[in-house]
Amino acid sequence: SQQGEEDPQALSIQEGENATMNCSYKTSINNLQWYRQNSGRGLVHLILIRSNEREKHSGRLRVTLDTSKKSSSLLITASRAADTASYFCATDATGRGSTLGRLYFGRGTQLTVWP
Amino acid sequence: GAGVSQTPSNKVTEKGKYVELRCDPISGHTALYWYRQSLGQGPEFLIYFQGTGAADDSGLPNDRFFAVRPEGSVSTLKIQRTERGDSAVYLCASSFQGASTEAFFGQGTRLTVV
Repeated sequence: SQQGEEDPQALSIQEGENATMNCSYKTSINNLQWYRQNSGRGLVHLILIRSNEREKHSGRLRVTLDTSKKSSSLLITASRAADTASYFCATDATGRGSTLGRLYFGRGTQLTVWP
Repeated sequence: GAGVSQTPSNKVTEKGKYVELRCDPISGHTALYWYRQSLGQGPEFLIYFQGTGAADDSGLPNDRFFAVRPEGSVSTLKIQRTERGDSAVYLCASSFQGASTEAFFGQGTRLTVV
């Protein structure tokens, strides 16, 4: 089964609004990453947050991590039509049965930003 | 080039044929991943290399799938006796030190089995 699950599966907003996507995972992690994908091809890394960090910023992106709840959120502020894409969280996993070094992806959130 | 390169970008093959998909990772990256992705789904893990060895091949769906990385750089994913259900985008990624660092993805190979 997949380690990470994003919520919601789809999100539709107007330009200028903020978009919030959530990710839940099952086992202990060392870090959590967010990726973006356009048109079903290559993924682009957005941000990495380590398990001892609670919040991280990069431009219009803000990521939070709550290891007690095994969840993370990605906030995109002042969204633009160009932000339309699928967004995935990915974790390593340190729990029993996991392989150190392997990246686990969720099913993603499809974000649509209307001009 | 500076990024991860995958060839071919598209491959159409007949059911039962053998295919090879190639991945050129970023120079110096020891970790290399293969994923496949179907429409509307997240990347499904296939295999992870650390150097020349497969650290985790538990995602390979059956023995028709095999991957190699003989010199710790270029990797080839091999699929024997292809089936229509193998149709997907096959993604390759590399990273400097495995999952503790960001992964860089290629643009993928879209495999269609007819």
